[in-house]
Amino acid sequence: GAGVSQSPRYKVAKRGQDVALRCDPISGHVSLFWYQQALGQGPEFLTYFQNEAQLDKSGLPSDRFFAERPEGSVSTLKIQRTQQEDSAVYLCASSLLGQLNQPQHFGDGTRLSIL
Amino acid sequence: EDQVTQSPEALRLQEGESSSLNCSYTVSGLRGLFWYRQDPGKGPEFLFTLYSAGEEKEKERLKATLTKKESFLHITAPKPEDSATYLCAVFTSGTYKYIFGTGTRLKVLA
Repeated sequence: GAGVSQSPRYKVAKRGQDVALRCDPISGHVSLFWYQQALGQGPEFLTYFQNEAQLDKSGLPSDRFFAERPEGSVSTLKIQRTQQEDSAVYLCASSLLGQLNQPQHFGDGTRLSIL
Repeated sequence: EDQVTQSPEALRLQEGESSSLNCSYTVSGLRGLFWYRQDPGKGPEFLFTLYSAGEEKEKERLKATLTKKESFLHITAPKPEDSATYLCAVFTSGTYKYIFGTGTRLKVLA
């Protein structure tokens, strides 16, 4: 596809359930980022991959959050034992080069609601 | 601590009424400042990158400028379709992360 694709677009889960969010970056893009965006706020950095290597996970809120990109393309963000405070939009972005001062291209996000 | 502040939080303009949005930053070692537009239910859409003080970029009715402490997004003769949230983000040396401001919600009335 032409852009970053995220699935599902909407996810409703009960507190305590595990969820997995998928990101298909633009083909050939080296860098991949995950962000969390609360209502009325800007995106907050979660983690960064360069190809398959996770170079920064300092933004992950707790050890319940886990991200992977095993083959350097598709990435999955997993949240275990979900809590209500995990409700947010999760955005994925990719950029062509490994140079981080380049524009990022965002998907439309997964809106996660924890009941 | 690196910080990005956008103002105003919200702005209502009449069609054709020009204005400016502000992004002030306190960071160590700015490597790039980015402006994005975000429509409801969508991801941010890239507008501009500015790398050094004095730099300016233009695109249609939008013009972005950068100083050592802040950036402005000037909107000239806006149209209703310019209504969106405008986000500013900075990338600094020694980190892998973008730091976003909270955005300015712009509404342009016909």
